[in-house]
Amino acid sequence: DIQMTQSSSYLSVSLGGRVTITCKASDHINNWLAWYQQKPGNAPRLLISGATSLETGVPSRFSGSGSGKDYTLSITSLQTEDVATYYCQQYWSTPPTFGAGTKLELK
Amino acid sequence: DVQLQESGPGLVKPSQSLSLTCTVTGYSITSDYAWNWIRQFPGNKLEWMGYISYSGSTSYNPSLKSRISITRDTSKNQFFLQLNSVTTEDTATYYCARGDYDGPVFDVWGAGTTVTVSS
Repeated sequence: DIQMTQSSSYLSVSLGGRVTITCKASDHINNWLAWYQQKPGNAPRLLISGATSLETGVPSRFSGSGSGKDYTLSITSLQTEDVATYYCQQYWSTPPTFGAGTKLELK
Repeated sequence: DVQLQESGPGLVKPSQSLSLTCTVTGYSITSDYAWNWIRQFPGNKLEWMGYISYSGSTSYNPSLKSRISITRDTSKNQFFLQLNSVTTEDTATYYCARGDYDGPVFDVWGAGTTVTVSS
């Protein structure tokens, strides 16, 4: 299985600021990478697929980048509603696997 | 809008089978997509369990392959999860989710149902 590592379990963030969340795959995944947002008590919500493609309805302050094994999710002008846990997921190989999550906390 | 809703017992005894139903509304499960089960353990780790495709083919996580079965009832637009010989390690929130068939990105999720394995 491809292991997905999110190096930060927690990030302390400021409203209005910029956040970068990183995800590293144990093998090349050719941009077959998705990002999800999860708020307490809710199911994950798909934000980005194909490493960079924003899903319909996702605010443009979210963006994805990366290649090979290394990927990032960026949030600019952080809003209160963005405080959540973010997961990366590879779908290059079966089984699809998820990172352990990065939880954003307000400073 | 496509909606998915999980249902089933919230408590299962060790060594017994866990059985869940996902009811899909707003889209036929025979039209397209793969229909998945994903679980989230206490501590928030997410694990893909498997899917049944629109054509009825299945794919399972090798870590579960000997214990899992995903089936469907097309007349009711439902698909099902059965996990055999459960242990306390199977305690989790179970989600059903729609995914692309060729590369599973999960774009629609149910609300999830929590299953506790305990005697």
